[in-house]
Amino acid sequence: DAGVIQSPRHEVTEMGQEVTLRCKPISGHNSLFWYRQTMMRGLELLIYFNNNVPIDDSGMPEDRFSAKMPNASFSTLKIQPSEPRDSAVYFCASSFLRLSSYNEQFFGPGTRLTVL
Amino acid sequence: KNEVEQSPQNLTAQEGEFITINCSYSVGISALHWLQQHPGGGIVSLFMLSSGKKKHGRLIATINIQEKHSSLHITASHPRDSAVYICAVQGGSEKLVFGKGTKLTVNP
Repeated sequence: DAGVIQSPRHEVTEMGQEVTLRCKPISGHNSLFWYRQTMMRGLELLIYFNNNVPIDDSGMPEDRFSAKMPNASFSTLKIQPSEPRDSAVYFCASSFLRLSSYNEQFFGPGTRLTVL
Repeated sequence: KNEVEQSPQNLTAQEGEFITINCSYSVGISALHWLQQHPGGGIVSLFMLSSGKKKHGRLIATINIQEKHSSLHITASHPRDSAVYICAVQGGSEKLVFGKGTKLTVNP
C-alpha cells in the first residue's frame, strides 16, 4: 500500500487566497484525521471523520476552515481566506476503527503551508 | 496546564546510552500512543498501549494507569534514533491529545 497520500507537499500563497489541501487515506481505513503542527502549539487535531462523517470538528480554528470527505478515499481541507497565522504543517492521518477497539494512526507526509 | 506533559524537552545522549523519555497526563484515557517524528518531518506510530509494557526491537514503552504516567525507553541508542518523540493520549473517542514532544539527539 502507498500509505496516506497528501498533496501538495508544499504550498506558498498570499494572504487572502484560498488554499485547498488534499488527502487520500489508506485503502480500507474508515477514520481520517486532519492535524496542524506549529512550533508554538505542537500537533493539534482539527477535525476527524469516521465513515466519511465528521465526528469532532472542535479543533477547527474558525469559519475560514472547512473540511469535506465526499467518499472513503478522498478528503479536503480548505482555508478561505488564508492568513499568515495559518502557516503550519498540515498532516492527514487514517486508521481503521473496529467496534470498541482503537488502532494506530498512519500519518501522511504533511503539507507545509506558508501564507505570505 | 497541558493535559499531556513530556520531559525532558530536549535530550542529548552519546551513542550506546540508555534513554528514557517520560509522559504524564491528567485525564482518564483509553490508550496512549508514542510517535516518532523524523528530522524530515514524517510521523510514525511506535506504540499504542493501554496497560503494561510493549517492546519493539530496542524500544520499550511502559504505562502505569494509576499514576497516569508512561515512559519510552531506548536501549543501546544510535544516531539514527535522533528524532522528536511525541506522546499522545486517547480518551473515549479516536481524538488524540498530544504532548509537545521530546527532541532527542544521539551523538556518535
